[in-house]
Amino acid sequence: QKEVEQNSGPLSVPEGAIASLNCTYSDRGSQSFFWYRQYSGKSPELIMFIYSNGDKEDGRFTAQLNKASQYVSLLIRDSQPSDSATYLCAVRLGFEYNKLIFGAGTRLAVHP
Amino acid sequence: EPEVTQTPSHQVTQMGQEVILRCVPISNHLYFYWYRQILGQKVEFLVSFYNNEISEKSEIFDDQFSVERPDGSNFTLKIRSTKLEDSAMYFCASRFDSGANVLTFGAGSRLTVL
Repeated sequence: QKEVEQNSGPLSVPEGAIASLNCTYSDRGSQSFFWYRQYSGKSPELIMFIYSNGDKEDGRFTAQLNKASQYVSLLIRDSQPSDSATYLCAVRLGFEYNKLIFGAGTRLAVHP
Repeated sequence: EPEVTQTPSHQVTQMGQEVILRCVPISNHLYFYWYRQILGQKVEFLVSFYNNEISEKSEIFDDQFSVERPDGSNFTLKIRSTKLEDSAMYFCASRFDSGANVLTFGAGSRLTVL
């Protein structure tokens, strides 16, 4: 069973702080990694994706990938109350696969 | 911005009834997906569809489920005889053929089976 694991949270951070969200995956052949944000009752929306080891930055968001440790993270700088949501880590197992496997998500609460 | 459109937004049905959920993927996308999310649980893959056939399906997608692309725009999920445990949010997603495997999700159809 291919697994994607996330701490369910909630992760509570003050406004303006850095939120750090973590994800581990079990399949060493996984090729690409995605972070989606899901507000309560809404559909997942893509924040960013990463393929290569290292960091990838997009605005206030930085994704970090370490394939050797099978670990991917998302940093949110200058967290805002509007960032309060569940953050879903998703993994594409390999190029021969079409689907994404989702983790259960980490709930982030940013308090003023 | 192009979007994936799903109808209905909410459907209530009796156990044993057939349900059809409809999706209009983004027009130049070629891969189509159905996912579901039971309340409070993770987003689960059901099926992927490419070139007018199922390319992959999960163990959830049993004989009670079917998908169809009846014309050039719609993509449907049919549940033949609904069960209580089919109550969930069903998300349609689509992606372009090449490049990043980025799925764009529709707003979802909430199915309640009584």
